[in-house]
Amino acid sequence: GAVVSQHPSRVICKSGTSVKIECRSLDFQATTMFWYRQFPKKSLMLMATSNEGSKATYEQGVEKDKFLINHASLTLSTLTVTSAHPEDSSFYICSARPRDRGPYEQYFGPGTRLTVT
Amino acid sequence: AQTVTQSQPEMSVQEAETVTLSCTYDTSENNYYLFWYKQPPSRQMILVIRQEAYKQQNATENRFSVNFQKAAKSFSLKISDSQLGDTAMYFCAFMNFNKFYFGSGTKLNVKP
Repeated sequence: GAVVSQHPSRVICKSGTSVKIECRSLDFQATTMFWYRQFPKKSLMLMATSNEGSKATYEQGVEKDKFLINHASLTLSTLTVTSAHPEDSSFYICSARPRDRGPYEQYFGPGTRLTVT
Repeated sequence: AQTVTQSQPEMSVQEAETVTLSCTYDTSENNYYLFWYKQPPSRQMILVIRQEAYKQQNATENRFSVNFQKAAKSFSLKISDSQLGDTAMYFCAFMNFNKFYFGSGTKLNVKP
């Protein structure tokens, strides 16, 4: 149980275009989902926290107009990178917190590698 | 602000031996959680072990155990009987007020 999927696993897009990444909790309902960014050989950096039905909370330094997060249902959150640039290339990971679990529970997706050319 | 520091970028251990990964953190909070996550080459984050700050007893999960020193803000991971499948990046993480903070990671190589 507690499986989180991400789609796509890899995506290449051209500079200036937008790309959407989906994060789904497959066998549980997630009231909260987190989006992280991981640079090569670096740690995970929390980008934003999204709660179902409400606006995402962005970490300091993260452009909310560039990284649009939508948490439309208890099983789906999306991250849209708008007007992508090569510096947006990175590994993006989501995690989901089950609805009826403690605050420390989170399950990670397998990640999405974004390459902007 | 919460910070997590892992001072060992890379470590190696022989198969079947024991290795300890270090982690220190900084916080002014009293209630929080600490974690060790494993990230193998597949990049999937896997929870290794969790420790609640209010518990004095060190957490243990099979071959994995922690040494939690709250006053020193230290949280090390001991892997006993290391296996080839333990080769991965290991991240120490701190959680408080709905947010997770990760250290920079330690790359562990288990050698046959």
